[in-house]
Amino acid sequence: AQSVTQLGSHVSVSEGALVLLRCNYSSSVPPYLFWYVQYPNQGLQLLLKYTSAATLVKGINGFEAEFKKSETSFHLTKPSAHMSDAAEYFCAVSDAGGTSYGKLTFGQGTILTVHP
Amino acid sequence: EPEVTQTPSHQVTQMGQEVILRCVPISNHLYFYWYRQILGQKVEFLVSFYNNEISEKSEIFDDQFSVERPDGSNFTLKIRSTKLEDSAMYFCASRIQLSSYEQYFGPGTRLTVT
Repeated sequence: AQSVTQLGSHVSVSEGALVLLRCNYSSSVPPYLFWYVQYPNQGLQLLLKYTSAATLVKGINGFEAEFKKSETSFHLTKPSAHMSDAAEYFCAVSDAGGTSYGKLTFGQGTILTVHP
Repeated sequence: EPEVTQTPSHQVTQMGQEVILRCVPISNHLYFYWYRQILGQKVEFLVSFYNNEISEKSEIFDDQFSVERPDGSNFTLKIRSTKLEDSAMYFCASRIQLSSYEQYFGPGTRLTVT
């Protein structure tokens, strides 16, 4: 069974400050990990993915995440927050290498607020 | 850029009624999924579909639910007799092939059961 825990349901930062959204996972097989972003009244948009290549993954909009197996973590960072980054962010894990057909297990989401 | 589309964006129905939620996945994708998100809760997996059959389903996906790909482009989720607790946002997603792991999501259908 897989699970994802996102620490902090709400994170608030100032514009220009570092963004750090935390994600820890549990998986019985090597995981594939994803971050998705959801803007108000929109669907889930893929930010970045880890699929067993480089452990530091770069995504869209200046976001990146680092896979740390020893810590079972996949935290999302951005050096300088922009007002347009305000959204809800979801970490997800898939065991596409296992017997499932790649279903995603999501964390509970973190709402990022950026204030001027 | 190709995208997953879903209709309607919002559906209101009375308890006990049947609803059909529609999705058009990205055209060359082979794997299809439904997820739901009850207000304030996690996004939950419902079902995956490949080669015209269900490949995996969750405990939520009971006999009241069914999926179909009737014409090679649409992918539908039917709820036979809706309950109040079926009120949620329903997301469709698609994936191009087994070796490409990312799923692309539609904008969702908000289902309200009264």
